[in-house]
Amino acid sequence: DAGVIQSPRHEVTEMGQEVTLRCKPISGHNSLFWYRQTMMRGLELLIYFNNNVPIDDSGMPEDRFSAKMPNASFSTLKIQPSEPRDSAVYFCASSLLGDYEQYFGPGTRLTVT
Amino acid sequence: GEDVEQSLFLSVREGDSSVINCTYTDSSSTYLYWYKQEPGAGLQLLTYIFSNMDMKQDQRLTVLLNKKDKHLSLRIADTQTGDSAIYFCAESQGGSYIPTFGRGTSLIVHP
Repeated sequence: DAGVIQSPRHEVTEMGQEVTLRCKPISGHNSLFWYRQTMMRGLELLIYFNNNVPIDDSGMPEDRFSAKMPNASFSTLKIQPSEPRDSAVYFCASSLLGDYEQYFGPGTRLTVT
Repeated sequence: GEDVEQSLFLSVREGDSSVINCTYTDSSSTYLYWYKQEPGAGLQLLTYIFSNMDMKQDQRLTVLLNKKDKHLSLRIADTQTGDSAIYFCAESQGGSYIPTFGRGTSLIVHP
């Protein structure tokens, strides 16, 4: 299996632009997680889905952030409009529902100037 | 304070043992984990321990759990330069498999 796939790996954008991060979970996994990693805050859980349904989005920092999972093999995290403080590494992870092990993608490094 | 705390840095010499420590606050934690993040990569589960265990050993890795003190440690024997990474402690509670992560400890192994 190719593992969790994220794209792009790097994204540089200007403040005010819309950013869309993409994730393809491991085939057969039915839980998907979005995390943000910064030096200041460490690793934060933003939102997670079970069977394509958002379960907990309490970690989403602001209304500028939104996430969707239209099917079992694809999810997006969108930031509109982006701000410099959104600069971070964004990870997607997937797992089997109820399993303790999460499989992380390689991350998307976002820089907002 | 944070739910899971760990020191930010640890520097060891190649061949020595490394001990990374973690404390957590939730006494109902059921699973405790160590994840490893290599440069430029995502986190990868290294090992885990159930809360009803005191110790778990897996090759060069030894996990010790002190439930009374809510203290978890990861010992890496014969540390190699390839062990240089960030190590995250995490916990989850019975009925929830969603881990709460610490901020990670950067292990630096020098010759």
